[in-house]
Amino acid sequence: DAKTTQPNSMESNEEEPVHLPCNHSTISGTDYIHWYRQLPSQGPEYVIHGLTSNVNNRMASLAIAEDRKSSTLILHRATLRDAAVYYCILRGGNKLVFGAGTILRVKS
Amino acid sequence: GAVVSQHPSRVICKSGTSVKIECRSLDFQATTMFWYRQFPKQSLMLMATSNEGSKATYEQGVEKDKFLINHASLTLSTLTVTSAHPEDSSFYICSAPGPFRDTFGSGTRLTVV
Repeated sequence: DAKTTQPNSMESNEEEPVHLPCNHSTISGTDYIHWYRQLPSQGPEYVIHGLTSNVNNRMASLAIAEDRKSSTLILHRATLRDAAVYYCILRGGNKLVFGAGTILRVKS
Repeated sequence: GAVVSQHPSRVICKSGTSVKIECRSLDFQATTMFWYRQFPKQSLMLMATSNEGSKATYEQGVEKDKFLINHASLTLSTLTVTSAHPEDSSFYICSAPGPFRDTFGSGTRLTVV
């Protein structure tokens, strides 16, 4: 499975936008870019996914670089409930392979 | 949306005993389910793929005789930790894949004393 690289942690102020980067320089043409997040002591939760075009849903936006070697998850207005570990995962097959993720801290 | 129910949410057992964790897909059928283990401050590690009606597929390094997986129906997969030891204490999580996303259970915190 292709590898992703994310910052260990990031901090944001409440009500401000957050941009979570992910590098995936070895992505293959058929890999989808998936984002999940995990709140403390809970199972992961799907956030968003995309292939080539930018994607928006009620939770977040996903901006994908033209060469697909990087992507950015955008939370438009961070709340305290968004504090979690965010995982960027490349999915080419049936399995999800989790990396270390980014710990997002949100300050009030 | 799809819901995966996992029970129990936490369990404490004595060393040497076995513990069964259940994972149910509530409103959809899942021919495949995944089992993960997560140690404190670490990421999820895939342990095995549970296949309805056939044997589970285990990831490298996971003892199949210790972590027994049964997927007897299209809505239920179970993980049994046999002869549990303190080093098996961990957070166990199941998931069911969908067309575009996986749905995860809420996890089981296992403590072996």
